[in-house]
Amino acid sequence: TQLLEQSPQFLSIQEGENLTVYCNSSSVFSSLQWYRQEPGEGPVLLVTVVTGGEVKKLKRLTFQFGDARKDSSLHITAAQPGDTGLYLCAGRHSGTYKYIFGTGTRLKVLA
Amino acid sequence: DVKVTQSSRYLVKRTGEKVFLECVQDMDHENMFWYRQDPGLGLRLIYFSYDVKMKEKGDIPEGYSVSREKKERFSLILESASTNQTSMYLCASSLNLGGGSEAFFGQGTRLTVV
Repeated sequence: TQLLEQSPQFLSIQEGENLTVYCNSSSVFSSLQWYRQEPGEGPVLLVTVVTGGEVKKLKRLTFQFGDARKDSSLHITAAQPGDTGLYLCAGRHSGTYKYIFGTGTRLKVLA
Repeated sequence: DVKVTQSSRYLVKRTGEKVFLECVQDMDHENMFWYRQDPGLGLRLIYFSYDVKMKEKGDIPEGYSVSREKKERFSLILESASTNQTSMYLCASSLNLGGGSEAFFGQGTRLTVV
């Protein structure tokens, strides 16, 4: 099973800093999702992107789908302790129902 | 509020035992999924069900089976638990498949096989 590679794997930053998380693959996806998973809970959907080059914003979070639809990034501005969690990307190939999940980025924001 | 509920948060079972993980959703969704989550490997799909009594193998079905007798309930069965099945198990449901379909996840069951 092909995985989506996420980087960095771990990230610990101070409150107020900016950060970017990357999700990369060698194959093209028809749609890509980002989830956040807090400790002891299941993942919760943040956003779905479907068009190459698409940018979506969710408060301080900015999501971008690569032009070739092979990669995506998540940028957080002025991180807060409430952003702490595991961030997962998930991509779906055309013609399938299954989402392939990335390896995850574990973010810790220190107050 | 939509809800997917897994019957146990933590389970400890012995090697060779038959293990049942239960999942119930209250959203009248057609589609239900079982994943396992391991560090550095993301979520991997074990089985998927798109209707009552209908199932499809995911990427890692070996050593597992599933049962869906009612629309709201999807059970994962470990026929003979082994230590390499120690993992976090996540159940999910969705209204639609593909496109922008949103998967709603349960809180997870952390299974330890000793």
